[in-house]
Amino acid sequence: GEDVEQSLFLSVREGDSSVINCTYTDSSSTYLYWYKQEPGAGLQLLTYIFSNMDMKQDQRLTVLLNKKDKHLSLRIADTQTGDSAIYFCAETEDYGQNFVFGPGTRLSVLP
Amino acid sequence: SQTIHQWPATLVQPVGSPLSLECTVEGTSNPNLYWYRQAAGRGLQLLFYSVGIGQISSEVPQNLSASRPQDRQFILSSKKLLLSDSGFYLCAYSGTGNTGELFFGEGSRLTVL
Repeated sequence: GEDVEQSLFLSVREGDSSVINCTYTDSSSTYLYWYKQEPGAGLQLLTYIFSNMDMKQDQRLTVLLNKKDKHLSLRIADTQTGDSAIYFCAETEDYGQNFVFGPGTRLSVLP
Repeated sequence: SQTIHQWPATLVQPVGSPLSLECTVEGTSNPNLYWYRQAAGRGLQLLFYSVGIGQISSEVPQNLSASRPQDRQFILSSKKLLLSDSGFYLCAYSGTGNTGELFFGEGSRLTVL
């Protein structure tokens, strides 16, 4: 079946850039998402990218998609302590159905 | 606007007791609804999804069941809880916009003792 992999932990200094990586196996992935989960809360959509795009930028967030390598990354510029959270990569082939989530990357921002 | 709520937020139950977690969605019709479980330090495991009233699909065999008695109500239940049922349970629905993303509730933390 489809699989999504992420490294589990990442630590960065405040003010540095964070890069969270994700790989997926489903070559039919159409929509790819990044979600953020703060402690004790549900997941909130950060950003998304369609499979026909290579890059998407939204303020401090930059998403890069390499379809050939099935690799997705999320770059957070000028990382702040409020960015400390778990970040989930997710993909779906079918609009609104059959989402596959990665295990989440716990980002720790050090002062 | 569309909103999703689930309750209770926190629950401590003894082994063998029943469970009922409720989720409701407002501001949308006929949503696809989902129950996920997030075990400590692990990712999300899809438990159930529903595409309509009374239509429930189970992803993994387990001690839990789900029901959808109304269009915007999704209930997660168990007759007898196990220790391994402890976790963080998340209800979600898929949006109707052009991005198809999931919108999540606030989560329900279940501790089985």
